[in-house]
Amino acid sequence: ETGVTQTPRHLVMGMTNKKSLKCEQHLGHNAMYWYKQSAKKPLELMFVYNFKEQTENNSVPSRFSPECPNSSHLFLHLHTLQPEDSALYLCASSQDTRATNEKLFFGSGTQLSVL
Amino acid sequence: AQSVAQPEDQVNVAEGNPLTVKCTYSVSGNPYLFWYVQYPNRGLQFLLKYITGDNLVKGSYGFEAEFNKSQTSFHLKKPSALVSDSALYFCAVRDQGDSNYQLIWGAGTKLIIKP
Repeated sequence: ETGVTQTPRHLVMGMTNKKSLKCEQHLGHNAMYWYKQSAKKPLELMFVYNFKEQTENNSVPSRFSPECPNSSHLFLHLHTLQPEDSALYLCASSQDTRATNEKLFFGSGTQLSVL
Repeated sequence: AQSVAQPEDQVNVAEGNPLTVKCTYSVSGNPYLFWYVQYPNRGLQFLLKYITGDNLVKGSYGFEAEFNKSQTSFHLKKPSALVSDSALYFCAVRDQGDSNYQLIWGAGTKLIIKP
């Protein structure tokens, strides 16, 4: 148990659906991240929040919409996704993005399939 | 440009034999280097990191890594492999002097330990 919980573990959705991924961390961290993991590719950083403020949006399509209501919770809202968006979506947290030598704590991920 | 290379998609090792998972990097300044492991159906877990000082870094589960500045490498090693070490291993780097705190990830190496 890493202290970062993601729900749901699996999600199948059609291209017209709207769904949300949830992440919660119990570590008292101030930074939270969304990553996309595709097979045999480096992890792709999508969004970063530090002290509830979005500090990074790595050219992610608008069909992905993050929300960070407080330092413990992070959401990724999904709508009108494409089949190529199928992947494992990982949430991570760290003490602070400015602590650049600190490790990340990851959740187990949501395996998303877009039909 | 900053980059990380894990030249082997897959490494096969017999149980009890030593293992090495290779990682080379490219950054402008001095690196922070990390290894993470991902077991099936789980998120990434931190194994070890190099910040400064001793070139040999010891981490979790008996793993260690050696920082070699001249070869810009940070290979992960273990003297005697266990079947339970079978997993996906990721190397990551961050430039210490870069205000951009994002980690640069390798594509991962699948380690298979055969009984």
